This record gives sequence, C-alpha cells and structure tokens, in this order.
Amino acid sequence: QKEVEQNSGPLSVPEGAIASLNCTYSDRGSQSFFWYRQYSGKSPELIMSIYSNGDKEDGRFTAQLNKASQYVSLLIRDSQPSDSATYLCAGHNTNAGKSTFGDGTTLTVKP
Amino acid sequence: NAGVTQTPKFRILKIGQSMTLQCTQDMNHNYMYWYRQDPGMGLKLIYYSVGAGITDKGEVPNGYNVSRSTTEDFPLRLELAAPSQTSVYFCASSASSVSYEQYFGPGTRLTVT
Repeated sequence: QKEVEQNSGPLSVPEGAIASLNCTYSDRGSQSFFWYRQYSGKSPELIMSIYSNGDKEDGRFTAQLNKASQYVSLLIRDSQPSDSATYLCAGHNTNAGKSTFGDGTTLTVKP
Repeated sequence: NAGVTQTPKFRILKIGQSMTLQCTQDMNHNYMYWYRQDPGMGLKLIYYSVGAGITDKGEVPNGYNVSRSTTEDFPLRLELAAPSQTSVYFCASSASSVSYEQYFGPGTRLTVT
C-alpha cells in the first residue's frame, strides 16, 4: 500500500463545474497536508496547505482534511481550462522531517 | 529573490559517467530535498537535509550521494550513471519553523544512454 494514494484519473470536467480531487494516507505521523499543481513539463507549485481537521478556503479552492478517516480532498469551484494540470497530494511527517507525495491526479477542464 | 535554482536544465550522460546536479536556494530555508519524477508518476524522495551538515536517505537513495556544507547549497551527485536514472530531478526547500510548504526548482531533465 502506498503511503499517499490518489485517484489516478484522468478526471475531466466541463468549464464552470466543480472538480473534486481525493487523497488518502496511511502514515498517522503525517500532520500537515499539501496540494501542489503541476503543469506539463513544469515543476510543482503549492496551491493549498491544511493542518487541522475541517475546511480551508482560498478563492476557488477548498481543501478538506479528516484525520480520523485519513482523508484529504481538494475542491476547485468554477473550474477553468487553466486549471488543467496534474494535482499532487502530499503529507508531511514532522518527526521524520519529510513529505510523501501521491502519484497525482490529472485534471482536464473542457471549454 | 530567485527562490530555488537548479543547473543544468538538461543533460545527456553515457552509462558509467558521473555528474553533479546543482541546487541553490536564497530563502534561508533549513530543509532541502531532492526528488526524481519518472513519466506519469509522482515524486520520489532521494535524499533530504534538515540543515547544514545533516543529510538523510529518502525512498530511493541508491546510486546517489549528497552533501550540505552551507544552508544555500544542496548538490546531488550521480556516480556511475545507469539508464534507470533517466528521469526529471527536482530540488525543493522549505522553512522548518513556520510550515513545511515546499518550493521547487525548475528541474533537471537527465537522460542516460
């Protein structure tokens, strides 16, 4: 079992719809969670971080964390073609000093 | 403020050759990381460092070496290159006392033939 698992996709949504990306993790030592966006041929860039249970909203993005279920999600509202990318979920274990990444979910937003 | 810089951007190596991938950050971050990313896959941690003089192995360290003599620099050494090391290599850094959000360099695309 991978430490961080994501739906491999690809996920396709029409422009203006809500895109829902999911991630589960197995390391209970992970306390901080991150969503990175990676455009094809580019490096990952951070879009959301979440540290406590519940929802965190930033513009069109909402991250959700449920530590009891070991589940993290990212919702993208009013999806735009420019949101088309691969989204990487990562969990950080503070004691170990390192993050573990999922394999990513590729999102395509169709105009 | 350049963030995280990596050189070279591209490199082709012959089997058995060695090289060093350079990584420098100007954000005074304590934590630095080296990842490799194979096509269609996520990031696999090669080595990481929690501060100058301290390094530790990640998930896939075999065939690589690192050193961290300064806060800014974290070079990755490939010894005796093999085709299995063909990949894109990313260096990243994060601040330890505030958050663990990672900032990535632009990557080095390495081909071993």
